[in-house]
Amino acid sequence: GAVVSQHPSWVICKSGTSVKIECRSLDFQATTMFWYRQFPKQSLMLMATSNEGSKATYEQGVEKDKFLINHASLTLSTLTVTSAHPEDSSFYICSASLRTLNEQFFGPGTRLTVL
Amino acid sequence: QQQVKQSPQSLIVQKGGISIINCAYENTAFDYFPWYQQFPGKGPALLIAIRPDVSEKKEGRFTISFNKSAKQFSLHIMDSQPGDSATYFCAASAGYSTLTFGKGTMLLVSP
Repeated sequence: GAVVSQHPSWVICKSGTSVKIECRSLDFQATTMFWYRQFPKQSLMLMATSNEGSKATYEQGVEKDKFLINHASLTLSTLTVTSAHPEDSSFYICSASLRTLNEQFFGPGTRLTVL
Repeated sequence: QQQVKQSPQSLIVQKGGISIINCAYENTAFDYFPWYQQFPGKGPALLIAIRPDVSEKKEGRFTISFNKSAKQFSLHIMDSQPGDSATYFCAASAGYSTLTFGKGTMLLVSP
């Protein structure tokens, strides 16, 4: 149990375009979902926390207008990278948690490459 | 106060040996300490976690040792195998707050 999926697993796009990444909890209802980015050989950096039906809480330094997060249901959250630039190229990972647990279940990640 | 310091940055262990990774924290409000294993190009996977009411937790070859007074916790991998080669992250959280991650340890188990 506690499986989280992400789609797509990798994406290549041109500079200036927008990219949407989906995060789904497959066998449980996630009250909270988290979005992280990870650069090569570095740790996970939390970008934002989202609760179903409410606005996401962004970490300091993360542009909310650039990284749009929607958490429309208890099993789906989306991250849209708007007007992507090469510096947005990174590994984006989502995680989901249950209300009663600290435990976060991570998705497999999405590799974004912006040309 | 929110930092979790992890060491070493990288580790090479012979097959069959014991791998030891250490983490230290400052925030005494932390009450949940998980370890994650991450393979290249994959998301992290929860390996084992501990809460401060116990000093040790063992699951198979993986053991967490927790020292509340020293504010330190460590991961021990017994009988290390080449398949254990991965990056390991410690983390900590307080209540239902977000996880604070260590910087990671790249483990290589040589055959």
